[in-house]
Parts: sequence; C-alpha cells; structure tokens
Amino acid sequence: GQQLNQSPQSMFIQEGEDVSMNCTSSSIFNTWLWYKQDPGEGPVLLIALYKAGELTSNGRLTAQFGITRKDSFLNISASIPSDVGIYFCAGHLLQGGSEKLVFGKGTKLTVNP
Amino acid sequence: EAQVTQNPRYLITVTGKKLTVTCSQNMNHEYMSWYRQDPGLGLRQIYYSMNVEVTDKGDVPEGYKVSRKEKRNFPLILESPSPNQTSLYFCASSSRQGDSYNSPLHFGNGTRLTVT
Repeated sequence: GQQLNQSPQSMFIQEGEDVSMNCTSSSIFNTWLWYKQDPGEGPVLLIALYKAGELTSNGRLTAQFGITRKDSFLNISASIPSDVGIYFCAGHLLQGGSEKLVFGKGTKLTVNP
Repeated sequence: EAQVTQNPRYLITVTGKKLTVTCSQNMNHEYMSWYRQDPGLGLRQIYYSMNVEVTDKGDVPEGYKVSRKEKRNFPLILESPSPNQTSLYFCASSSRQGDSYNSPLHFGNGTRLTVT
C-alpha cells in the first residue's frame, strides 16, 4: 500500500530550539494533515493543508504542502516543554474511485527544559 | 462538546473471549474508522465506514469485525482475540464535504487492549 516516510523518528531538543520534521511519498496527495498525540490521548489535528504550495501557520507551528504534492513539512519554533508528544503526518489520497487517509509512523519529540 | 467517545479505556482479557469496543460520535459525521497503534508501526487502519450500513476493510482487518447500524455508533468486535491483537485502538470520525471525505479526522482517546 501507499506509504508516507516521516522523519526523523525521534528528536531530543532543548527548550527554545526550533524543530523541523517532514513527510515524503511517491504518491500524490490532495490533502496533508499534521496531528499531535499527547501521552495517553488520541491524536489532535494541528494543521490541515489543502492546496499544493500552501504555507499555513498556527501559533508557533508552520506547515507547508509541497509543490509536487508528494511531501510536507512541519516546523515548530521556540519549543516549550508542552510540545512533547508524537507528531503524525497524514495524506489524503484519491485512488481508483476510493479515498484513503495514509499516516506516517510518527516523530517522537522530547523537549528538555 | 463535540467528541468521539470510546469505551472502555482499558481492557485486559484472555485469548478467545469475545469482546466489543464501543465508539460513538456526536457530530453527525458520515465517516468513521478504527485504527490500531503499535510501537514503530504508527497508526494502521482496521476498518472504515463511509455511512450507515457501509463498511470496508482497511489495511489490517484480519481478526476484527465492525458494524454501522446507526450513524453515531461504530463498534469494533473481536470474536476470538489473540495476543497479537494487544494494542492501542483509536476510533475516529469526520464529515463529508461534497464528494470528498478529506475533512480532518477527530479521534477518540483510545482503548488499550491486552490479550493474555
């Protein structure tokens, strides 16, 4: 099946540092989504991207939908301890008349105070 | 409050004993889905439903059943659980926009299942 390659798998950073993670695929997606999962909870949507080239911000978070529609990145500026969690990218794919949402394997972020 | 509610949050059971994990959403969403989350494997889709009485297999449907008799409910059934189904399970729902289901998923808080 389709795969999203999400990197890095994990990150250990100091509070105040900027963070960048990305997802790539060999498939073309028509929507990219970024989710965050806090320990013991379900993923929560951070940013949704609907157009190729779109750059969207949500507070300290910025995400972009790649021009080729095969990739996306998420940046977090000036990290704080509550940014700890697992970040997932997800791509929405139209294939042969059906629709599918494909998830990356996640980036686990640890922020040291 | 708009939410997806799963029950139970934690469940420990023995091999072969049938169980059901319930999922209910109060947002009138057409689309509902079940995922399992395992270390290093991310979120994998088990089954999904695009509307009442319509269900389809996801990537890892073996050993699971679902039903969608009402719009708000989408229970996950394990007829004969096995230890390899020990996992963290998430139910999710989303609305339909026109002909597309690309609106973001809302997730429940998860059900941690242990099968001994």
